[in-house]
Amino acid sequence: GAVVSQHPSWVICKSGTSVKIECRSLDFQATTMFWYRQFPKQSLMLMATSNEGSKATYEQGVEKDKFLINHASLTLSTLTVTSAHPEDSSFYICSARNSGKAKNIQYFGAGTRLSVL
Amino acid sequence: QQQVKQSPQSLIVQKGGISIINCAYENTAFDYFPWYQQFPGKGPALLIAIRPDVSEKKEGRFTISFNKSAKQFSLHIMDSQPGDSATYFCAASAGSNYKLTFGKGTLLTVNP
Repeated sequence: GAVVSQHPSWVICKSGTSVKIECRSLDFQATTMFWYRQFPKQSLMLMATSNEGSKATYEQGVEKDKFLINHASLTLSTLTVTSAHPEDSSFYICSARNSGKAKNIQYFGAGTRLSVL
Repeated sequence: QQQVKQSPQSLIVQKGGISIINCAYENTAFDYFPWYQQFPGKGPALLIAIRPDVSEKKEGRFTISFNKSAKQFSLHIMDSQPGDSATYFCAASAGSNYKLTFGKGTLLTVNP
């Protein structure tokens, strides 16, 4: 149980295009999902907290118009990197918190490696 | 300001040995302390977690020791195996905030 599916696992795009990453909780409902960014050999940096049915809360320094987050259902949140540039290349990881039991636990997706050419 | 300090940055252990990773925190509001294991190119996976009302929690070969007065907690991996080679992150969260603050990670290498 407690599986979080993230898609795609790897995406290459041209500079200026937009990329959408999906995060799904497969066997539980998640009112809250989190989006992280991780650079090589570094820790996870929280970008934003996504709450179902409401606007995402972005961490300081994260451009909300650059990284659009939608959490339209209890099992799906999406992150869209708009007008991507090479400096947006990174490993993006989502996590989901079970709305029911064990509320503290965050279950992570496998991550999406974004390469912007 | 780094709220969760993790050490060492890297650790090399022989097969069968004990791996010990330490974390210290500053925010006394933290009340949930998980450890995550991450393999290259994968997302973190929850290993074990503890709350401050207990001083130790053991699950298989993994043990968390927690010292509330010192604001420190550590992960012990007994009988370390080459398959344990990964990056380990400690983290902490406070109350209903649920946001995790991560340590910088420890790269563990277990030699056969």
